[in-house]
Amino acid sequence: DAKTTQPNSMESNEEEPVHLPCNHSTISGTDYIHWYRQLPSQGPEYVIHGLTSNVNNRMASLAIAEDRKSSTLILHRATLRDAAVYYCILRGMGSQGNLIFGKGTKLSVKP
Amino acid sequence: GAVVSQHPSRVICKSGTSVKIECRSLDFQATTMFWYRQFPKQSLMLMATSNEGSKATYEQGVEKDKFLINHASLTLSTLTVTSAHPEDSSFYICSARRLTADTQYFGPGTRLTVL
Repeated sequence: DAKTTQPNSMESNEEEPVHLPCNHSTISGTDYIHWYRQLPSQGPEYVIHGLTSNVNNRMASLAIAEDRKSSTLILHRATLRDAAVYYCILRGMGSQGNLIFGKGTKLSVKP
Repeated sequence: GAVVSQHPSRVICKSGTSVKIECRSLDFQATTMFWYRQFPKQSLMLMATSNEGSKATYEQGVEKDKFLINHASLTLSTLTVTSAHPEDSSFYICSARRLTADTQYFGPGTRLTVL
């Protein structure tokens, strides 16, 4: 599985946008970019995933670089409940590959 | 999103006993289920992958005789920690996915403490 690199931690103010970066320079053509987040003492929660085009859902937006070597998860208005560890993970489509978690980015949100 | 449940949410047991953790996909048929383990302040580590009706595939370094996985139906997988020891104390998280689906859903986790 191709590797991803994320900052260890980031801080944000409540109600401001947050841009969480992820580098994946060794991504293969069939790898999807998945984002999950984990709140303290809970299982991970699916956030969003994409292949080439930018993606939007009710939780977040995913901006994927044209060369696909990096991506950014965008939380449009951070709330205190968004404080979590965010994981950027590469996985093949369908049944190809497993979700292998790295260290992720710990996001703190200040009121 | 889809719902995955785990039971129990928390268990404390004595060293040497066995503990069974259940994982259920409540609103979809999970052809593949996964078991992860997470130690404090660390990331999730994949222990094994199981397809319904087949034997589980264990990751390197995970003892299959110690961590018994059963995936007998499309909605239920169980993890049994046999002869548990204090070093097995951890947060165990299951996950489920439909065949060919991209999205994987996670349970809330089970906190195991072995005394």
